Amino acid sequence: DADVTQTPRNRITKTGKRIMLECSQTKGHDRMYWYRQDPGLGLRLIYYSFDVKDINKGEISDGYSVSRQAQAKFSLSLESAIPNQTALYFCATSDSQGDEQFFGPGTRLTVL
Amino acid sequence: ILNVEQSPQSLHVQEGDSTNFTCSFPSSNFYALHWYRWETAKSPEALFVMTLNGDEKKKGRISATLNTKEGYSYLYIKGSQPEDSATYLCAFSGGYQKVTFGTGTKLQVIP
Repeated sequence: DADVTQTPRNRITKTGKRIMLECSQTKGHDRMYWYRQDPGLGLRLIYYSFDVKDINKGEISDGYSVSRQAQAKFSLSLESAIPNQTALYFCATSDSQGDEQFFGPGTRLTVL
Repeated sequence: ILNVEQSPQSLHVQEGDSTNFTCSFPSSNFYALHWYRWETAKSPEALFVMTLNGDEKKKGRISATLNTKEGYSYLYIKGSQPEDSATYLCAFSGGYQKVTFGTGTKLQVIP
């Protein structure tokens, strides 16, 4: 079984809809991250969490919110989806500062 | 926003050629530099985590060096093979505890 899982893997939705992307991990890591990937722009950090009570905005947090329900779960929400949020979204985990990150398989989101 | 730059953006090499790419990052507040390999339709996977100035890491035909004082790292691939085709990402971890990724170098190895 994969250590970092994401659901759904693909989603097509309409402008204005609320969408939640979920991430679960079995690695026992405290640190979890949400990134989006757009062609030519690499991975950009949306939100990150160093433990259940610690959530921080990344460089592109506008239009997104997160919830850290447990050490193993970190959800990303789009309150009112817009077309420019169409992207590939990755969840990742790490053990401590400077450690490598382990990525989930990605969620491809299309907002029409 | 921290500036992490990779060059070139993309390159094509013939099978058997050796190649290298560059990652430049801020030289202050350095904590770690990561290299990731990202194959099409897969997730990024870590190649190296480098923390000390002068670090050299090697995994098979791939190696990396680190210069934290001048803010750059090189990734080398010796005798490129088609299975090396991927995007190679570097990521800077600084004193603010989050990681900033470069935009990657896309390598295509032509058989």
